[in-house]
Amino acid sequence: DGGITQSPKYLFRKEGQNVTLSCEQNLNHDAMYWYRQDPGQGLRLIYYSQIVNDFQKGDIAEGYSVSREKKESFPLTVTSAQKNPTAFYLCASRSTSGPYGEQYFGPGTRLTVT
Amino acid sequence: AQSVTQLGSHVSVSEGALVLLRCNYSSSVPPYLFWYVQYPNQGLQLLLKYTSAATLVKGINGFEAEFKKSETSFHLTKPSAHMSDAAEYFCAVSGTGGYNKLIFGAGTRLAVHP
Repeated sequence: DGGITQSPKYLFRKEGQNVTLSCEQNLNHDAMYWYRQDPGQGLRLIYYSQIVNDFQKGDIAEGYSVSREKKESFPLTVTSAQKNPTAFYLCASRSTSGPYGEQYFGPGTRLTVT
Repeated sequence: AQSVTQLGSHVSVSEGALVLLRCNYSSSVPPYLFWYVQYPNQGLQLLLKYTSAATLVKGINGFEAEFKKSETSFHLTKPSAHMSDAAEYFCAVSGTGGYNKLIFGAGTRLAVHP
């Protein structure tokens, strides 16, 4: 089955530690996205990438970093510089061959930092 | 700049009643519009999309939405609510400026009572 996988589902870290969230897709999509979701705030874009070895900052990139070394993979690192990292993180992908822009989402990773 | 407003952060209906979730958008170009559903601790699933082919769009699970340009609205409806419809619903518009970013509303949580 084609889809997007995110691992792990739940992640716990101590304050001051960097943590990397995994996102893999086998949909052959060119574009990939990372969102942060907090209660009552909808989704906020962290980073996005349209092609391998290229990525752009979204609306809330401070304290986060990404890489795009392979088309299938777009890992997100939450660094110790992120002041409030506890949130639900969603990865998405989109085919650039279609004009409409719909994105397909993974199941999410819930990160708790204490 | 494009934006999306979802009226009502919480909507409660009885099982079998009409579901109406409101979405208004702002866009300087003809928009592509989407509705997504999110069940607790899961990713977002695409319900339906407006791509200018037809103003009344049918989606999965019996949902539909009507694009009204004069009202800049894209409200989501379902004639008869089911308990399984309880979830959070997000309206989104495809952004301009490259990379087809999606602009999300803050979401509406739908509760269905027996």
